[in-house]
Amino acid sequence: IAGITQAPTSQILAAGRRMTLRCTQDMRHNAMYWYRQDLGLGLRLIHYSNTAGTTGKGEVPDGYSVSRANTDDFPLTLASAVPSQTSVYFCASSDSRRGSQGRGYTFGSGTRLTVV
Amino acid sequence: QKEVEQDPGPLSVPEGAIVSLNCTYSNSAFQYFMWYRQYSRKGPELLMYTYSSGNKEDGRFTAQVDKSSKYISLFIRDSQPSDSATYLCAMREDFGNEKLTFGTGTRLTIIP
Repeated sequence: IAGITQAPTSQILAAGRRMTLRCTQDMRHNAMYWYRQDLGLGLRLIHYSNTAGTTGKGEVPDGYSVSRANTDDFPLTLASAVPSQTSVYFCASSDSRRGSQGRGYTFGSGTRLTVV
Repeated sequence: QKEVEQDPGPLSVPEGAIVSLNCTYSNSAFQYFMWYRQYSRKGPELLMYTYSSGNKEDGRFTAQVDKSSKYISLFIRDSQPSDSATYLCAMREDFGNEKLTFGTGTRLTIIP
């Protein structure tokens, strides 16, 4: 089934530890995104990538890093986790080629991260 | 002021009622307007998409965009318990700028 796979589904992490959230898509979408979703704040963009080899900062990038070595994978790394990074993290992708604007984003099922 | 404002609810209506969900926005450059539905512990999924002003109907769902008022709506007719979810509006500028700006979402419960 075409879509986005995120791993792990949930994780409890000690503060100060390093963690990488994995995201893989099989739709050959050129653009990928990482969001965090918090109650009352909605979805906030952390980092994005318009194409393999390029990345950009979103609204809340501090404490996070990403890489885009190929089209399919877009891992998100927390270098040294802090409790304020407790959230639900969603990876998404889109096809930004002309004529595809109406398809919107495809989201993964999310990773629930708790930093203690 | 947020770029996109959405009443967080929660909103509870009886089964069969018409539901109206709304968002306002401040960026006049927004051209593409979307509604996402998010079930509990799931990722958002695209429900409706509209380009510029006008209406779009898909089964029991109707999306309306009024760019002059910077106001968008989603109507659900004959609401069903399976419609219980959080609904997020989203919008973006023209081709070449893929960045979506989301509302915070409205939590909807349909009471059987």
